[in-house]
Amino acid sequence: RKEVEQDPGPFNVPEGATVAFNCTYSNSASQSFFWYRQDCRKEPKLLMSVYSSGNEDGRFTAQLNRASQYISLLIRDSKLSDSATYLCAVDDYKLSFGAGTTVTVRA
Amino acid sequence: ETGVTQSPTHLIKTRGQQVTLRCSSQSGHNTVSWYQQALGQGPQFIFQYYREEENGRGNFPPRFSGLQFPNYSSELNVNALELDDSALYLCASSLDAGGKNEQFFGPGTRLTVL
Repeated sequence: RKEVEQDPGPFNVPEGATVAFNCTYSNSASQSFFWYRQDCRKEPKLLMSVYSSGNEDGRFTAQLNRASQYISLLIRDSKLSDSATYLCAVDDYKLSFGAGTTVTVRA
Repeated sequence: ETGVTQSPTHLIKTRGQQVTLRCSSQSGHNTVSWYQQALGQGPQFIFQYYREEENGRGNFPPRFSGLQFPNYSSELNVNALELDDSALYLCASSLDAGGKNEQFFGPGTRLTVL
């Protein structure tokens, strides 16, 4: 089983829509979780850190479910500029990444 | 911008050659981690350096080696290059080692092995 697995998508959504996707992790002892955003051929940029049950930053909400070992990311009121690949990472001193979820927001 | 820089931005090498990639960490950060990202995949952890010592290593062969200098900048060296080494190489710096330390990535070095 992979350490971190994500739904690859792609998720194609209209502007203004809400989109949500999950990331599952295998190590039940993991304590720190991150969502990164990666644009094509660029480096990952930190979007959000999750240390407890969840985190919210504007239109972005992350939820952590320790019992089922997954983290979700929800994007409300999607903008064209939200089109990117979203990488989930689990920190066990090193970051273990999923392969990413591709989101495309269309006009 | 994260303040993490990498050089060079692009590199083309042939099989069997050796390559050195460089990373300058964000000011105040003492930990540098290196990742390899193949096309369509998430970054894969190579190793981490904390205060000039290797602090963990992923599933990469010994021909991948590294260094960290007193100013916390770092190098990744790859010997005997193989075609599968073609990837984006990312370094990330963090304030300290261990969990709950957010890692910030540099722009990466895109390596092509022919």
